[in-house]
Amino acid sequence: DIQMTQSPSAMSASVGDRVTITCRASQGISHYLAWFQQKPGKVPKRLIYTASSLQDGVPSRFSGSGSGTEFTLTITSLQPDDFATYYCLQYYNYPYSFGQGTKLEIK
Amino acid sequence: EVQLVESGGGLVEPGGSLRLSCVASGFTFTSYTMNWVRQAPGKGLEWVSSISYRRVGTYINYADSVKGRFTISRDNAQKSLHLQMNSLTAEDTAVYYCVRGAEEAAGDSWGQGTLVTVSS
Repeated sequence: DIQMTQSPSAMSASVGDRVTITCRASQGISHYLAWFQQKPGKVPKRLIYTASSLQDGVPSRFSGSGSGTEFTLTITSLQPDDFATYYCLQYYNYPYSFGQGTKLEIK
Repeated sequence: EVQLVESGGGLVEPGGSLRLSCVASGFTFTSYTMNWVRQAPGKGLEWVSSISYRRVGTYINYADSVKGRFTISRDNAQKSLHLQMNSLTAEDTAVYYCVRGAEEAAGDSWGQGTLVTVSS
């Protein structure tokens, strides 16, 4: 089974900052990776799919990159609405697996 | 508009059973693999099971943590997804989400979730 490891597990940043979250796969998954945002008490929302494709309606300050085993989610110019927990998901093969999450808090 | 509406959650004793359902609307149900994803209180997301539909057959996958205890099924005529959960333990306590998609569509739409609590 493929293990997904996110780093950091938590971080704090300020409005306007540029933030990068990393997700590493225990084996190569090509570009079969998605990123999700979840706010407290809310349903997860997909931001990025196939590693770098932006979901319709998601602001362009969100971007994804990577392939193989290392992936990044970048948020440029953080907005107050962006403070949330972020998860990666590999869908290269079953069982699908999520990273453990990265909690992004306001500094 | 895509809608996924779960039901069937509740309080069940350890060792008990529960059947979750999800009714889909706003898209061609037979064109999509459907999934269950769960989230224990205060914890991260865990993929539970997937069921695809092809003319040649139905393909099913489970997480190791539920294999042999949970059974996923779908009724394409009713546009519904189900999860039969048996031999429940406290570790199965979670919000269970009905989630659309696999491959490029993986996780593109989520239901609001239904809470399952396993406790005596």
